[in-house]
Amino acid sequence: EAGVAQSPRYKIIEKRQSVAFWCNPISGHATLYWYQQILGQGPKLLIQFQNNGVVDDSQLPKDRFSAERLKGVDSTLKIQPAKLEDSAVYLCASSFSDEKLFFGSGTQLSVL
Amino acid sequence: RKEVEQDPGPFNVPEGATVAFNCTYSNSASQSFFWYRQDCRKEPKLLMSVYSSGNEDGRFTAQLNRASQYISLLIRDSKLSDSATYLCVALSGGYQKVTFGTGTKLQVIP
Repeated sequence: EAGVAQSPRYKIIEKRQSVAFWCNPISGHATLYWYQQILGQGPKLLIQFQNNGVVDDSQLPKDRFSAERLKGVDSTLKIQPAKLEDSAVYLCASSFSDEKLFFGSGTQLSVL
Repeated sequence: RKEVEQDPGPFNVPEGATVAFNCTYSNSASQSFFWYRQDCRKEPKLLMSVYSSGNEDGRFTAQLNRASQYISLLIRDSKLSDSATYLCVALSGGYQKVTFGTGTKLQVIP
């Protein structure tokens, strides 16, 4: 069974530039999560989708971050404009109905 | 106060030792709990669920204390390959919000 796919694996940008990350969850998984993990910290939930609807985006910095999951399958997370403090690993995860999350390999973002 | 709190460690233990980690959660309505393992520069992977009655998976034992709002993970006969960060997870809310702790780093020493 294919796992959660994420791209790109690495991204280096300058502050104030824009960046987008892509995630394709495991087939049939209705719930999709985007997490931000800063070095030395646990993953922090940015946004949670149930099919194509948002169920929690309370910690998403909406002035610069946006995410969509238009057809209820794959998802994109965008940062515009990026700040230095956005340097982190962005993890996508999906789950079916048993609450267990499966993570992709993540995108490591460096903002210079 | 963070929703899920863990001692970041590191815990440095010799091979064969027994080590225990605790995790406290602030939301008394949290319904389900898990331990995830994260290797350096890798994504988190599910280690085990935590059941109210306590559960065991080989050398790993997880327990839940709802009255005191903490969960624990016990690792017996530590192996070098157990070296990783262990993340405590709590689920709450009707839509199952998943909250991670900061993780506890374990280093097993030869």
